[in-house]
Amino acid sequence: AQTVTQSQPEMSVQEAETVTLSCTYDTSESDYYLFWYKQPPSRQMILVIRQEAYKQQNATENRFSVNFQKAAKSFSLKISDSQLGDAAMYFCAYRSAERDDKIIFGKGTRLHILP
Amino acid sequence: GAGVSQSPSNKVTEKGKDVELRCDPISGHTALYWYRQSLGQGLEFLIYFQGNSAPDKSGLPSDRFSAERTGGSVSTLTIQRTQQEDSAVYLCASSLYHSGSGANVLTFGAGSRLTVL
Repeated sequence: AQTVTQSQPEMSVQEAETVTLSCTYDTSESDYYLFWYKQPPSRQMILVIRQEAYKQQNATENRFSVNFQKAAKSFSLKISDSQLGDAAMYFCAYRSAERDDKIIFGKGTRLHILP
Repeated sequence: GAGVSQSPSNKVTEKGKDVELRCDPISGHTALYWYRQSLGQGLEFLIYFQGNSAPDKSGLPSDRFSAERTGGSVSTLTIQRTQQEDSAVYLCASSLYHSGSGANVLTFGAGSRLTVL
């Protein structure tokens, strides 16, 4: 079974600095999707960025980018120029592209932004 | 609707009571998912619906949990004889489809926080 591991329960970063959130996953599949979701205090989960495993180019969305290392099964999220509104829980998630299956989430990393 | 709507937003109940949590997905979304988020835990998959059928109920913790979906739209998650360990945020999400590219954009509701005293 696939698993998603986020080894950092909490992180802090100074406003305007850069922070990287770690995520590793375990799968025997070669085709899949990876996601980062953000959950602010409002509890509303928001998709931040997604990556398709067969694409070697790392996905980027404005200040958010990923470092996708398929062989290492690593999918880290980099947030540049951190802003107070980035404070939230961040969840890494996996979904198979080979089978109809649900999205599997990690336990999350709580990110604090220090003014 | 414009988004996924969940009700109630917060529910406090006594141990042993039954509760119903409601999810109204985005109009036209055929796939609907229930997840549970406990303190310090990630999102635990409970069940998903494709239309009105539930092909995967593997995440339901016990037979006290059940869910249904009617008319391919609204879904209700029912917890019977609630226990304190059922306290959590119950999140609902919907997507256009369960498979293919339309499955990869999940829109979540704001969740229902359940507290069992």
